[in-house]
Amino acid sequence: DVKVTQSSRYLVKRTGEKVFLECVQDMDHENMFWYRQDPGLGLRLIYFSYDVKMKEKGDIPEGYSVSREKKERFSLILESASTNQTSMYLCASSGNEQFFGPGTRLTVL
Amino acid sequence: EDQVTQSPEALRLQEGESSSLNCSYTVSGLRGLFWYRQDPGKGPEFLFTLYSAGEEKEKERLKATLTKKESFLHITAPKPEDSATYLCAVQAKSNYQLIWGAGTKLIIKP
Repeated sequence: DVKVTQSSRYLVKRTGEKVFLECVQDMDHENMFWYRQDPGLGLRLIYFSYDVKMKEKGDIPEGYSVSREKKERFSLILESASTNQTSMYLCASSGNEQFFGPGTRLTVL
Repeated sequence: EDQVTQSPEALRLQEGESSSLNCSYTVSGLRGLFWYRQDPGKGPEFLFTLYSAGEEKEKERLKATLTKKESFLHITAPKPEDSATYLCAVQAKSNYQLIWGAGTKLIIKP
């Protein structure tokens, strides 16, 4: 069975903290994605990666960075968290179809 | 510009009352159209991929169809457990990214 896991289901951080969100897939997929999902705004792509050490900006990369050192792991980094980054963060990996993790609900106070 | 529009935004049905959700799209060269189901507080769950006009896919009470301009997700005799938000997305031949619709929130009342 396809599996994408995310390091935390819920996370509470303070403004200015550095935040790491981890995503691991066990399907040997080359492509991995980070989205955020907010009410009324739908799914928005932050970054994606089509190979190890490769990354591409999505629609809303500002305030975020990513790391892909191994094929199965894709990390999203908030260098200095702000309240407007409070959101649901979703990781996905794909061959033909994108498969999603359970999501991380991040609250920045 | 590539775009996906889903309608209606929300749909309330009685248990057993069949209906359809719509996904209209414009894309320069369709690689695939995808349907997902999302329960509150969870990640989207993959349902179907459609690649070409005329294609149909079925799973339990759900059937997805595709034309050159739109896709329908038909739900037959729905049950309360079918309540969820249904998302549609398209992928152009030119890149890896998906273009997402805003979703249809489906509520099935017992």
